[in-house]
Amino acid sequence: EADIYQTPRYLVIGTGKKITLECSQTMGHDKMYWYQQDPGMELHLIHYSYGVNSTEKGDLSSESTVSRIRTEHFPLTLESARPSHTSQYLCASKQGSSPLHFGNGTRLTVT
Amino acid sequence: RKEVEQDPGPFNVPEGATVAFNCTYSNSASQSFFWYRQDCRKEPKLLMSVYSSGNEDGRFTAQLNRASQYISLLIRDSKLSDSATYLCVVNDLAGGATNKLIFGTGTLLAVQP
Repeated sequence: EADIYQTPRYLVIGTGKKITLECSQTMGHDKMYWYQQDPGMELHLIHYSYGVNSTEKGDLSSESTVSRIRTEHFPLTLESARPSHTSQYLCASKQGSSPLHFGNGTRLTVT
Repeated sequence: RKEVEQDPGPFNVPEGATVAFNCTYSNSASQSFFWYRQDCRKEPKLLMSVYSSGNEDGRFTAQLNRASQYISLLIRDSKLSDSATYLCVVNDLAGGATNKLIFGTGTLLAVQP
């Protein structure tokens, strides 16, 4: 089973602040993903990476950016948080065609 | 038409009932299929992969029908703890090293005492 960790678990922050959501996995998975999900709604892919130095935007337009300097880390950054960014952010990883493994999410509230 | 479609439910069933969910997909070249379970305000967790010959894990049975392009999940002897949203996931191979994961919107199951 993959070990994938997200921090912080909960974050409440004011408008205009820069934030970075951390995601790390210890299984050496090549593929990593960020999803955004509002309560009771479907998952939306916002970023993905197929390996080091590879990042792509997902299906849902997002003002966030990501980086993949190391295999195990895939941080997501918001330069200037807004109330519309309030949501749950889920990081996931996989290897090849194996199933996707999710972290336990970061619940972000922007006031 | 959505690439992966699920009945959103809710499916309200009594304890002990058998319930089945279907999920249709549009790309006949889709390669792998999964069912995930998501509890309220939690992350999705893999329930089971779906194999061509069908597979069973305890009270759960998954089947794939490539001709009709759907996968199914059958839950027997429903428990209160089965209440959750069940997500269908299809893995399309888009060529080369890339593959695309497509999530259904989920089917909400509520098992009643």
